[in-house]
Amino acid sequence: AQTVTQSQPEMSVQEAETVTLSCTYDTSESDYYLFWYKQPPSRQMILVIRQEAYKQQNATENRFSVNFQKAAKSFSLKISDSQLGDAAMYFCAYRIRGYYGGSQGNLIFGKGTKLSVKP
Amino acid sequence: KAGVTQTPRYLIKTRGQQVTLSCSPISGHRSVSWYQQTPGQGLQFLFEYFSETQRNKGNFPGRFSGRQFSNSRSEMNVSTLELGDSALYLCASSEPGQGAVNYGYTFGSGTRLTVV
Repeated sequence: AQTVTQSQPEMSVQEAETVTLSCTYDTSESDYYLFWYKQPPSRQMILVIRQEAYKQQNATENRFSVNFQKAAKSFSLKISDSQLGDAAMYFCAYRIRGYYGGSQGNLIFGKGTKLSVKP
Repeated sequence: KAGVTQTPRYLIKTRGQQVTLSCSPISGHRSVSWYQQTPGQGLQFLFEYFSETQRNKGNFPGRFSGRQFSNSRSEMNVSTLELGDSALYLCASSEPGQGAVNYGYTFGSGTRLTVV
């Protein structure tokens, strides 16, 4: 069974600094997608960034980038120039690729990392 | 376009009662998934619907059920509520299949259910 582990329950960063959130996963599949979602106090899960496992190039979205290490099954999120609005719960998630039905089409989430941003 | 709408936002029920939660997906999205979020278990997948058919189901007891209507709106029902059912219930809509990963899942703000 696939699992996603986020080993840092809480992290803190100074405004304008850089922070890295860790995520490891376990799967026997070779083709899958990885995601980082942000959940602010409004409770809505917001997609931050996604990575296709078959792509070696790390995904980047403005101040957010990932370090994807497929062999190590590691998928960390780097937030540069942290802003107060970045404070939220961050969830790492996995989904198998090529799903058109069956039992593996859902997102599998880690337990989350609560990020605080200090002014 | 409008986002995913979940109603009600908050709900308090008594143990043993049943409850129905509603989710209206983004216009054009035909797939709706439900997740339960608790502090202890985190986010757990409940079920997924597409074209009024349940395509995928998580490991929850039969007290948890759902359905999808022809306009893609979805409801989930929990019968004989237990204290442990207290949670945030999130709905996510997406394009089906590969569209879900190409364009991502869009989540609603959830329904906070408290069972007393």
